[in-house]
Amino acid sequence: NAGVTQTPKFRILKIGQSMTLQCTQDMNHNYMYWYRQDPGMGLKLIYYSVGAGITDKGEVPNGYNVSRSTTEDFPLRLELAAPSQTSVYFCASSIATLGTEAFFGQGTRLTVV
Amino acid sequence: QKEVEQDPGPLSVPEGAIVSLNCTYSNSAFQYFMWYRQYSRKGPELLMYTYSSGNKEDGRFTAQVDKSSKYISLFIRDSQPSDSATYLCAMSGGTGGFKTIFGAGTRLFVKA
Repeated sequence: NAGVTQTPKFRILKIGQSMTLQCTQDMNHNYMYWYRQDPGMGLKLIYYSVGAGITDKGEVPNGYNVSRSTTEDFPLRLELAAPSQTSVYFCASSIATLGTEAFFGQGTRLTVV
Repeated sequence: QKEVEQDPGPLSVPEGAIVSLNCTYSNSAFQYFMWYRQYSRKGPELLMYTYSSGNKEDGRFTAQVDKSSKYISLFIRDSQPSDSATYLCAMSGGTGGFKTIFGAGTRLFVKA
């Protein structure tokens, strides 16, 4: 059982470039999330989805876009990368919302130079 | 004021010590309280979960919630080098809705 799989693990982008961070889960979870983790700042929610075809903004959505065409996949798109988007990105999924365990991927370390 | 405050550490203790990790929060409506453990260069994993107030014990780990003081704690007994990780508190529910709010995480080092 793979859980939540993120690709790539590492990426260096130049300012202004775009890329898609891939996330897939095999637990049939309806809820999926994208977080970014900066040193000393905890996890900040970027976007979330409560099911296929439904997405919504989290705390820090600017500069990002998502789509959810299937239950399994929840890609995060960065348009016009900026140095402020240098961070570690985590995708997570859960079977429900309140008080349930979120399963995290291994993360994508992104550097924008 | 941040919704959740957590001392980032680092906290360094000798093997076998009792470790106390803490978080304070401002939203009195939170009902679900969790502790995640994150090893270096890995994603967080759920360690302990508590609903409302009280204590919960699981092996060497005890989670406490004091809603009157808006204070939660994680105690680790007989700490081991394998406990070296970052511990993130998290909470959700009430007027915060279903979104989970994470603390910044405390880095713990257990020295052999």
